[in-house]
Order: sequence, then structure tokens, then C-alpha cells
Amino acid sequence: EVLLVESGGGLVQPGGSLRLSCAASGFTFNDYEMNWVRQAPGKGLEWVSYISRSGTTLFYADSVKGRFTTSRDNAKNSLFLQINRLRVEDTAVYYCARERNSGSTDAFDIWGQGTMLIVSS
Amino acid sequence: SYELTQPLSVSVALGQTATIACEGNNIGIKNVHWYQQKPGQAPVVVMYKDNRRPSGIPERFSGSNSGNTATLTIARAQAGDEADYYCQVWDASSVVFGGGAKLIVL
Repeated sequence: EVLLVESGGGLVQPGGSLRLSCAASGFTFNDYEMNWVRQAPGKGLEWVSYISRSGTTLFYADSVKGRFTTSRDNAKNSLFLQINRLRVEDTAVYYCARERNSGSTDAFDIWGQGTMLIVSS
Repeated sequence: SYELTQPLSVSVALGQTATIACEGNNIGIKNVHWYQQKPGQAPVVVMYKDNRRPSGIPERFSGSNSGNTATLTIARAQAGDEADYYCQVWDASSVVFGGGAKLIVL
């Protein structure tokens, strides 16, 4: 079964840091480009970042640029999102999502169940 | 930055056809993808590259894209189709989602 499982969310104070993880299984992880998408409570989907198959190409939403860092460990079939200088507005469910086909601006065909991050004092 | 505009909600009678629009500047030249999200669940792709249906998605779902509007059409709407629907495109090196449209099946 193709699966993505996020972890690492929780309650963090503003200004703090956190690393989210996404464990992939059931497919050849290094064949796929990956993304992070977040959803604030009661709000719509917001794309956060993209990482290429090798991890050498990264794109970020303007709202997170400079504070968020995406990386991957293909040997461990894992995707990561390092979040620094947390803000209250970073409160959201964070999803990792697989891009259907590489290099083709394709859809996100597999999503994890999400991990909730709450930023509050 | 590129923007996608969706109606906040779309209502459809049970068994009738629902159309959900997604407007963007010259969106017709982009690949548009559509996601369905039910409460408490992760999004699921229901249409990719304008009009291609993933396996497992009913034939009742169809898509089109031209000019400044992409459309997701759901024929013979069922109670189980009630959900939020998001359109999505790539613009340069970023991903853009529409604000989402809530489909209400009456």
C-alpha cells in the first residue's frame, strides 16, 4: 500500500522551532518529487514547499521563505520540514504530498493524513 | 502572483449536475488539478491535467479548461459528493490553490 505518514506536530511557543517528518512507504521514494501543503483551521489549502527527487531543487511559498527548510533522506524514505521562528499564523495541519509525475507540474496524487502544529503561548 | 477564484459554495439537488468553476488569468494554458476534501480528511485528487480522471474516481466526475475558467462537473450528484473542492495549478516555481468551493447536495 502506498502511504505517507506525517509526524512531529504539537504545541510550540512563538519563536520556537520544530521539525516535521513524513515517512513514505509502498513506492520508490526517490522517483518522486514531494511537497508540503498546510491548512489553517477552517481555511483552505496553502502550498508550502517543493523538493525535487534528488533534493537539490527547492521552492517555497513567499509566506515561509527564509524560515522553512525542506529536505529529504532518500535512503530512509523520508521527507522533512524544518520550521524556525514560528508564528501564530503557522498554526495548521501540515500535509506531505507526492507529485504524480516528475517534471510535469502534475497533481498531488498521494497525501498523508496530516500532522497538527499549534503555535501559541 | 497568480490567483485562482472559486465560489464559496455551490448547491445542487440530489441527482442533478453540479458545476464548480475556477477562474484565473488565461488558466486555459495551464494544467488544472482538482481535489475533494471531506471534513477531517486529507484531500483526494479527483481530476488531473484538466480532464483526466484518476482510477477509482467515478465517471460522473469530469473536467474542462478554456480561456479564463476551468470547470469541474459532477453529474448525478450524490450525498457522498458533499465536500470542499479545490482547484490547483503550477505557476512558475510555485503551486497555487483556489480558495475552495463547498459543494452542498440538497
